[in-house]
Amino acid sequence: DGGITQSPKYLFRKEGQNVTLSCEQNLNHDAMYWYRQDPGQGLRLIYYSQIVNDFQKGDIAEGYSVSREKKESFPLTVTSAQKNPTAFYLCASSIPAGVGTEAFFGQGTRLTVV
Amino acid sequence: GNSVTQMEGPVTLSEEAFLTINCTYTATGYPSLFWYVQYPGEGLQLLLKATKADDKGSNKGFEATYRKETTSFHLEKGSVQVSDSAVYFCALLPSGGSYIPTFGRGTSLIVHP
Repeated sequence: DGGITQSPKYLFRKEGQNVTLSCEQNLNHDAMYWYRQDPGQGLRLIYYSQIVNDFQKGDIAEGYSVSREKKESFPLTVTSAQKNPTAFYLCASSIPAGVGTEAFFGQGTRLTVV
Repeated sequence: GNSVTQMEGPVTLSEEAFLTINCTYTATGYPSLFWYVQYPGEGLQLLLKATKADDKGSNKGFEATYRKETTSFHLEKGSVQVSDSAVYFCALLPSGGSYIPTFGRGTSLIVHP
């Protein structure tokens, strides 16, 4: 079955550590996105990529980094510069453009700083 | 810029009650409009969508009509079930530019037996 796989489901990070969240899709989608979800704030865009080897900052990119070396993979690194990283992180993908194009989401990774 | 405004929750209803969750948007041109649903601890799933004015999206008893004149896309269901308890997100996809989806803050629905 086609879909998006995020791993791990739960992740714990110590202060000052970098951690990498995995996102893999087999939908053959060109566009991929990372969102952060906090209670009462909805989804905020961190980074997006519309083609391999290219990505753009979203609304809250500070303290995060990404890479897009393969079409099916879009890993997100939460660096030590991100001061409040505890949140639920969602990866999504879509075909790049077109009327009515919906986004497909992974199951999310819950990151907690300990 | 583009934005989506949803009514704040939680919305608490008894089973078989009528549901309305309001959504209004700001965007240039003719965006596509979506409702997504999120169950606890999971990602978002597409519930329904509409791509042009006066279109009605429907799925699993839920409906929403694209109203260009009021820039609205309110979600309705005639008779909710306990299993409908979830968080509902309204979203838009611009008709041009970067084609980045924009989401509302989400509305939590709690349905009691």
